[in-house]
Amino acid sequence: GEDVEQSLFLSVREGDSSVINCTYTDSSSTYLYWYKQEPGAGLQLLTYIFSNMDMKQDQRLTVLLNKKDKHLSLRIADTQTGDSAIYFCAETKGDYKLSFGAGTTVTVRA
Amino acid sequence: GAVVSQHPSRVICKSGTSVKIECRSLDFQATTMFWYRQFPKQSLMLMATSNEGSKATYEQGVEKDKFLINHASLTLSTLTVTSAHPEDSSFYICSARSLVNTEAFFGQGTRLTVV
Repeated sequence: GEDVEQSLFLSVREGDSSVINCTYTDSSSTYLYWYKQEPGAGLQLLTYIFSNMDMKQDQRLTVLLNKKDKHLSLRIADTQTGDSAIYFCAETKGDYKLSFGAGTTVTVRA
Repeated sequence: GAVVSQHPSRVICKSGTSVKIECRSLDFQATTMFWYRQFPKQSLMLMATSNEGSKATYEQGVEKDKFLINHASLTLSTLTVTSAHPEDSSFYICSARSLVNTEAFFGQGTRLTVV
C-alpha cells in the first residue's frame, strides 16, 4: 500500500479556509512537508514540520501534526484563486529521500 | 530559498535517441541530488539518489542502464534517458540539498515527450 495517502480533490469557495489532510505510515519519519505544484511546473515547498512539533503557522498556512495517529493537515486561511493547485504531502526519514502522497487537487471557486 | 535550475524545461525527441537533462544548484553546493519521475495526475516517484563524486543509488525497478545519472560536481547532476521510447515520456524533476539544509529544493521539471 501507499506510504503516504491524501484525498484527491478539494473544492473550496474563495475566502473560505481549505484543509488538506494526509496520513502516513512510517512512525520514524523525521520531517513532513507540504509542496504546491501549479500546472506544468515543479514543486514549491510551502512549509515543513519536524516530527517533534504539533503545529506550525506561517502566515496563511497552518500545519497540524498528530504523530500518534500519523495524521498531517494543511490549513490555508482566506483561500484565494492563486491557491488553486495540486498539494503534495511528503515525508522523509532524515535521508531526504521524499515519499510523496498522490496529491490533492484544490480548486478555488468564486 | 535556494535555487535549483533544470534544463531543458521541455524536450521532444525521436524514439531510439538519447536525451540529457541537467539539474544545477545555482547558489549552493548540492552534495545530494534526487531524480523523480511524475506520470500525469500521479505523484512523484523517486528514481535515484546521487551523491557528488560517487555512483547513483537507484530505486527498485529503475533501470540504471537506461537512466544514466552523473553527479560530477557539487552544482551539477545530469540524467540521460538512453534509447528513449514513448513509454519514457513523463515529467522528470530533480531536487538538490546541501549538508546544511533541512530541505531539498526542486527544479522546475522537464517535460519529455518521445515520439
